[in-house]
Amino acid sequence: QVQLVQSGAEVKKPGASVKVSCKASGYLFTGYYMHWVRQAPGQGLQWMGWINANTGVTNYPQKFQGRVTMTRDTSINTIYMDLRRLAFDDMAIYYCVRGRHRGATDAFDIWGQGTLVSVSS
Amino acid sequence: SYVLTQPPSVSVAPGQTARVTCGGNNIGSKSVHWYQQKPGQAPVLVLYDDSDRPSGIPERFSGSNSGNTATLIIIRVEAGDEADYSCQVWDSSSHQWVFGGGTNLAVL
Repeated sequence: QVQLVQSGAEVKKPGASVKVSCKASGYLFTGYYMHWVRQAPGQGLQWMGWINANTGVTNYPQKFQGRVTMTRDTSINTIYMDLRRLAFDDMAIYYCVRGRHRGATDAFDIWGQGTLVSVSS
Repeated sequence: SYVLTQPPSVSVAPGQTARVTCGGNNIGSKSVHWYQQKPGQAPVLVLYDDSDRPSGIPERFSGSNSGNTATLIIIRVEAGDEADYSCQVWDSSSHQWVFGGGTNLAVL
């Protein structure tokens, strides 16, 4: 079945970096855009950017530009999200998400299980 | 940037109809998507393009979108519908996805 399996929980210190992985299975990996969405405790969903799994082209909102990098490895159907200079308010569950077939501006139809990133001194 | 406004909470009795609103400037000109999120779980797409249901979503879920308000409608509400519901749009002006703050649907 179609699924996204993410790496495990992380605990980081302020100023550090975190890299979360997301392995896709059950569909043509290179046929879709992939997104990262985060959710701080008790808060709403926040989009962090997308990556075209075929070309590797990315798009990040201004809030995360310069601090986030999304990459992919087509040989193992995996995408990665690298977030640098972590602050306390980066503590959140990070989700990888597949966009529907029409491209980067289509709805998000498959979600990973989420990865908790804790930031603690 | 574009802002989506949702009520923090909505309450409904079992068997009744729930309406969750999502307000935004001229949102009727955009495609609105809706997600359901139960505690401790990842969100699930329940409506896309205002009113289309993905496979597996009951026909009890429907939507409308006009003017400055989009609405998720759930008829014959069940206890299992209790969850947070978030709306989403693509803001072409700022080239980014925007989510509403989410609405907690309580089934009394």
